[in-house]
Formats: sequence, C-alpha cells, structure tokens
Amino acid sequence: DTGVSQDPRHKITKRGQNVTFRCDPISEHNRLYWYRQTLGQGPEFLTYFQNEAQLEKSRLLSDRFSAERPKGSFSTLEIQRTEQGDSAMYLCASSKTGGFYEQYFGPGTRLTVT
Amino acid sequence: QQQVKQSPQSLIVQKGGIPIINCAYENTAFDYFPWYQQFPGKGPALLIAIRPDVSEKKEGRFTISFNKSAKQFSLHIMDSQPGDSATYFCAASPHTDKLIFGTGTRLQVFP
Repeated sequence: DTGVSQDPRHKITKRGQNVTFRCDPISEHNRLYWYRQTLGQGPEFLTYFQNEAQLEKSRLLSDRFSAERPKGSFSTLEIQRTEQGDSAMYLCASSKTGGFYEQYFGPGTRLTVT
Repeated sequence: QQQVKQSPQSLIVQKGGIPIINCAYENTAFDYFPWYQQFPGKGPALLIAIRPDVSEKKEGRFTISFNKSAKQFSLHIMDSQPGDSATYFCAASPHTDKLIFGTGTRLQVFP
C-alpha cells in the first residue's frame, strides 16, 4: 500500500496559464476527493468521484476548474486561466465506499500563481 | 449549518500536559467525526474518528469525547510530546461524504 500520491508537489505558474495536477488514489479505493487549502485554513471540499462518476462539485469550483477520473483510477484537476487567488495547496484524498470508511490524504500540490 | 467551529486557534503546553481541542457543529446530518494532524508542507493525516453512537474513543494517547445532545466533540492528547507539535483539524461528514473541516488549532508542545 503506497498511499495517495500527487504530482507535481510544487507548481509555479504565471497568471493566465493553465495547470493540471494528478492524483493516484490508494488502489482499492473507489472514491476520490479534491480539496483546496489556503494558508492558515482547513481544507475546503472541491469535488469528488465514485469510480469515474463525478458525484458532487462545490460552488468553489468555478468554470475555470475541471476534474476528471476517466477510468476510475487516477484523477486530474485542471485550472484554466489561473489567477493569483488560485494560489493554494490542492489536496487529494481517497476512501472506500460503504460503512464509515476513512479518507486518506496525499501530500498535496502547492500552487503559486505569480 | 455546514460549518464546524473549532477552538482554540492556538495552544501551548508543556511536555506531559493534556491539550484539549474543541469542535461544535449544527448539522444533525453529520454522522462521522474524524480528527486530522497536519505538519507544515504535508497533507493531513487521519488520527482518530468517532461515530455519534459512542461517547468516547481512545487510540493510544489520543481520545475523542463526543456529546451528541450538545453537538460538540473534543480531542484530548495524553502525555503530550514535542513531536505532537502540529496543526490539528476536526472535521464532520454526512455519511462518509465530503468532509467539512474546522479552522484548525496550532499546537506547540515545549520540552
């Protein structure tokens, strides 16, 4: 069990550029979540998938954000036309379904928009 | 109604002390309450979690106390150590759906 992995760990981009992050969940987990965390705050929910289906999106997820999980395994989060306010840590978590299965987080991708 | 209120914002204790972090919620649909520990630059790590059908749960030096009628829950860290210095987040979830996090408590344990 290698845990949740995220790539890249750090990304610096200029305002207006597009960025894409990848998350690989724990292998037997069919739920995958994206959260955003700004400095000094708790993580905020963005969206989640059960297998390849995107089941919920937060109002925080503007139309510049899109997430996919095409084969029910890894997921990507893309931000188009980045803004300075997008600077944050983007966290991915995964869990099993059914019962009260815990969410396990990856190390996060730190995005800095200059 | 979706908020989870956490206090205190920061906490300083001596080694061996018992820091207590409190959280409160309003949404009665919440039925899963985990605590996470986060070190700088790392993702949150699950510490311990409780369901509302029990009033207390212990795992090692970490204890959750849960008061369903008051809609409050707290984390106690027994015999705290300098290595426990981190930020702690409570969270709540409606049936393992998305997690709603508190604002965090920065704990410092001095030798």
